[in-house]
Amino acid sequence: NAGVTQTPKFQVLKTGQSMTLQCAQDMNHEYMSWYRQDPGMGLRLIHYSVGAGITDQGEVPNGYNVSRSTTEDFPLRLLSAAPSQTSVYFCASSYSQNSNQPQHFGDGTRLSIL
Amino acid sequence: DQQVKQNSPSLSVQEGRISILNCDYTNSMFDYFLWYKKYPAEGPTFLISISSIKDKNEDGRFTVFLNKSAKHLSLHIVPSQPGDSAVYFCAAIISGNTGKLIFGQGTTLQVKP
Repeated sequence: NAGVTQTPKFQVLKTGQSMTLQCAQDMNHEYMSWYRQDPGMGLRLIHYSVGAGITDQGEVPNGYNVSRSTTEDFPLRLLSAAPSQTSVYFCASSYSQNSNQPQHFGDGTRLSIL
Repeated sequence: DQQVKQNSPSLSVQEGRISILNCDYTNSMFDYFLWYKKYPAEGPTFLISISSIKDKNEDGRFTVFLNKSAKHLSLHIVPSQPGDSAVYFCAAIISGNTGKLIFGQGTTLQVKP
């Protein structure tokens, strides 16, 4: 059971480039989300999805797009990378968005924008 | 506006002793609180949670206490073990089953052998 799988683990981009961070889960979880972790700030919610075809914005959505065409996959797109998007990105999933359902995290993608 | 705060960036404890990690919050609409543990180069791992209608939840060596009047929760680890050395994040969820986690900044725990 792989859980939540994120690819790539590391990536370096130049300002203005685009890329997609991949996230897949094999637990048939309905709820998926993306967070970024910056030094001294904990994790902040970027976008989330309560099921296939449904996405919504979190706390820091600017500069990022998401889609949820299948239950398993929830890719995060950077359309035009900026140095402020240098961060560690975590994808998470849970059975539902109910408060008593703990979320399971992937191991992260470390992204550097030059 | 930091709704969940962990004011101690680090904590060092001797093996076998108690570790107490603290967390303060400002939003009265939180209905669940969670603790996550994170090792370097790994994602956060769920540790223990507590509903806002309870004041204590225990799971083995880990106990979480909630003081709603003080808007304060704490995680107790007894006895502490070297393998507990990690970053601990406090998180909260706003009522309404939104699934949106609000994280604190994290506390790095070092357990010395």
